[in-house]
Amino acid sequence: DGGITQSPKYLFRKEGQNVTLSCEQNLNHDAMYWYRQDPGQGLRLIYYSQIVNDFQKGDIAEGYSVSREKKESFPLTVTSAQKNPTAFYLCASSPREGLTDTQYFGPGTRLTVL
Amino acid sequence: GNSVTQMEGPVTLSEEAFLTINCTYTATGYPSLFWYVQYPGEGLQLLLKATKADDKGSNKGFEATYRKETTSFHLEKGSVQVSDSAVYFCALRHSGTASKLTFGTGTRLQVTL
Repeated sequence: DGGITQSPKYLFRKEGQNVTLSCEQNLNHDAMYWYRQDPGQGLRLIYYSQIVNDFQKGDIAEGYSVSREKKESFPLTVTSAQKNPTAFYLCASSPREGLTDTQYFGPGTRLTVL
Repeated sequence: GNSVTQMEGPVTLSEEAFLTINCTYTATGYPSLFWYVQYPGEGLQLLLKATKADDKGSNKGFEATYRKETTSFHLEKGSVQVSDSAVYFCALRHSGTASKLTFGTGTRLQVTL
């Protein structure tokens, strides 16, 4: 089945450690996105990538980094510089702009920093 | 800048009641508008969308009409079910940009028997 997978579903890390969240899609979508969701708030865009080997900062990129070496994969690293990393992280993808404007979401990863 | 405002929840309804969740937006240009639904512990699923003024999006009994004159995209359903209990997000896509979405804060719907 086509879709977006995120792993793991739950992730625990000690304060000060970097952690990488996985996002893979087999929808052949060009664009991929990372959002952060906090209780009682909407989703906020961290980073997005329109094409392989290119990505742009979203609204809250500080303390995060990404790479886009393959079309299917867009991993997010939460660094020790992120002051409040505990949150629910959602990855999404969409076809290249102009074909459709719907974003499809993965199931999310809940990160807890102890 | 662009923004989306949703009514605060939770909204608690009895099964078969009529649902309205209000959504208004501020945007330059001509955005596309979306409703997404999030069930507990899951990611977001697209519920419906509208891409131009006066368009009506519909899916699974839910409807929303793109009203440019009132900058609104209210979600409605004639008869809710317990299985509709979830968090509903209104969102807009900035026109002319790479599918970036701006989300509202979400409205939790609780449907009881």
